[in-house]
Amino acid sequence: GAGVSQSPSNKVTEKGKDVELRCDPISGHTALYWYRQSLGQGLEFLIYFQGNSAPDKSGLPSDRFSAERTGGSVSTLTIQRTQQEDSAVYLCASSPILHQPQHFGDGTRLSIL
Amino acid sequence: AQTVTQSQPEMSVQEAETVTLSCTYDTSENNYYLFWYKQPPSRQMILVIRQEAYKQQNATENRFSVNFQKAAKSFSLKISDSQLGDTAMYFCAFDGSGNQFYFGTGTSLTVIP
Repeated sequence: GAGVSQSPSNKVTEKGKDVELRCDPISGHTALYWYRQSLGQGLEFLIYFQGNSAPDKSGLPSDRFSAERTGGSVSTLTIQRTQQEDSAVYLCASSPILHQPQHFGDGTRLSIL
Repeated sequence: AQTVTQSQPEMSVQEAETVTLSCTYDTSENNYYLFWYKQPPSRQMILVIRQEAYKQQNATENRFSVNFQKAAKSFSLKISDSQLGDTAMYFCAFDGSGNQFYFGTGTSLTVIP
């Protein structure tokens, strides 16, 4: 079956603009995760969803970041008023349930000019 | 807070030889899950191996095995009979009972022909 799909694969935008990143998880996976990977760094956990619910939003870097998941499927990560430090690869992953191996998408490479 | 440390930013190994990647973590939890993920140059992260902390037996997956030392909070990955396709960034990850997930900064492994 299809893997985790992320769109767009690349996004270049000007500082101050809002961006929306999309993640389509593997069908039937109840858990969905968002990470940020900066150049030469590991993965920074942002948020996870169990179904449509995000139990803990404290991993989001600032209040400019928000995420939602609808219908237990597609999730969007929104960054408002983008800053240059937001430039990174944003990875999405899903798993059948929590604590199971995560299946990752190819990521969205975000560049803020 | 949980932390995951990978102390070897870069490693290399001759093809067909064995290499061990180290990972240590810090937690006060007793039940948790540990993972090794591989990220080839193509960028998509894939699972290598998973270990449940309550299991004393070290996980093995073909040429990949772990040395899990719970008391020492150590979780190293051994790759036997290294192949060119093993060239990748390897990440150690911690999944506990909290609402966040922790990855190390990665070890870049190069297999030399």
